[in-house]
Amino acid sequence: AQKITQTQPGMFVQEKEAVTLDCTYDTSDQSYGLFWYKQPSSGEMIFLIYQGSYDEQNATEGRYSLNFQKARKSANLVISASQLGDSAMYFCAMREGRVGATNKLIFGTGTLLAVQP
Amino acid sequence: NAGVTQTPKFQVLKTGQSMTLQCAQDMNHNSMYWYRQDPGMGLRLIYYSASEGTTDKGEVPNGYNVSRLNKREFSLRLESAAPSQTSVYFCASRHGRQAGNQPQHFGDGTRLSIL
Repeated sequence: AQKITQTQPGMFVQEKEAVTLDCTYDTSDQSYGLFWYKQPSSGEMIFLIYQGSYDEQNATEGRYSLNFQKARKSANLVISASQLGDSAMYFCAMREGRVGATNKLIFGTGTLLAVQP
Repeated sequence: NAGVTQTPKFQVLKTGQSMTLQCAQDMNHNSMYWYRQDPGMGLRLIYYSASEGTTDKGEVPNGYNVSRLNKREFSLRLESAAPSQTSVYFCASRHGRQAGNQPQHFGDGTRLSIL
């Protein structure tokens, strides 16, 4: 069965430092996609970054980058130069199967990040 | 520039009452989704609609029904609310048959408490 595992329930990081949030996944599909979402205390879900299973380069979006290790089935989110506004819950999610009409997502349980001044 | 709009934002129900959560998107998306978020469990898919006129069960459909009223609107109904359905409910939408990197766009959520 397809599954997303986030083993860090909570993390602290000092402002301006980099932090890595772990995500491992389990799937038998060859084609899949991995997403990271941010959920601040206000509750909305904000899309951060995407990595496709066939993408040769690790995805980057501003201060966010994805450390994609396909053989290890891991897709860790790296946030560089942490800011106080980065304090939030972060979810890793996987699109089931190849791109199609359904595009259902399976979510991990999330990691709560607290950035300290 | 509303995106995905959910109503209501908060609701308290008594056990056994019925309730419909409304969701509308203005991005001309084909696919829409309903999730519930419970502490320590992430988001779980309740129902989804790949396109107008179709609906399918997700991971946790029991106790819910949905209606894809038109391309814009996708409602979630609790016929007889139970305390176990106390949760935060999110609606999301996506283009559908587009490139795989297109994310789902989420509404702000409905916080539902059932006493």
